[in-house]
Amino acid sequence: QSALTQPPSASGSPGQSVTISCTGTSSDVGGYNHVSWYQQNPGKAPKLMIYEVSKRPSGVPDRFSGSKSGNTASLTVSGLQAEDEADYYCSSYAGSNNLVFGGGTKLTVL
Amino acid sequence: QLHLQESGPGLLKPSETLSLTCTVSVGSISSINYYWGWIRQPPGKGLEWIGNVYYNGITYYNPSLKSRVTMSVDTSKNQFSLRLSSVTAADTAVYYCARRQLHALDIWGQGTMVTVSS
Repeated sequence: QSALTQPPSASGSPGQSVTISCTGTSSDVGGYNHVSWYQQNPGKAPKLMIYEVSKRPSGVPDRFSGSKSGNTASLTVSGLQAEDEADYYCSSYAGSNNLVFGGGTKLTVL
Repeated sequence: QLHLQESGPGLLKPSETLSLTCTVSVGSISSINYYWGWIRQPPGKGLEWIGNVYYNGITYYNPSLKSRVTMSVDTSKNQFSLRLSSVTAADTAVYYCARRQLHALDIWGQGTMVTVSS
């Protein structure tokens, strides 16, 4: 299984929206509605932000939303805030109980 | 709120076996609703799923690590463990334990740094 493809960086100004993509194959992203997104701040453990493509765990602001089209999933952060600056990782179920992660995207709030 | 805490040696020599334990508190590891997993992150790099174990001992491993990985669970201690044999410098990473609900990792430990160096 190969890692999912994410852009290394993304940026936006406060209040703007930014979208991060996550591209896989029909064996992972395209084959299952089990894409998750994680936010990781420096020196901290990842935090689940989105699961099952577009569902938010309790406590995650609705500024965070997820979607999927074909083999590409996306995370959109609306109304960017300074606190959203972090690394973001996607993951997908890849069959046979396997999980695969993306390489991560560093989101900068300008 | 469920809490996970990793523990184990932070420094290993090449060819040794990495052994880590994750202690689950404020909750039971015996729930049928969750798997218990390990994920690692080399310095400055991305996340890699290592595998997970169910409360009854059923395991699933990343195919790329399968030949060197063993996971187990001790329900009496509310703990699960990771063993990775024949380590090299490439295994240097922060190792996280996490609870897996279906196919999402919803609760993570704080992580523990493991360095492989001669």
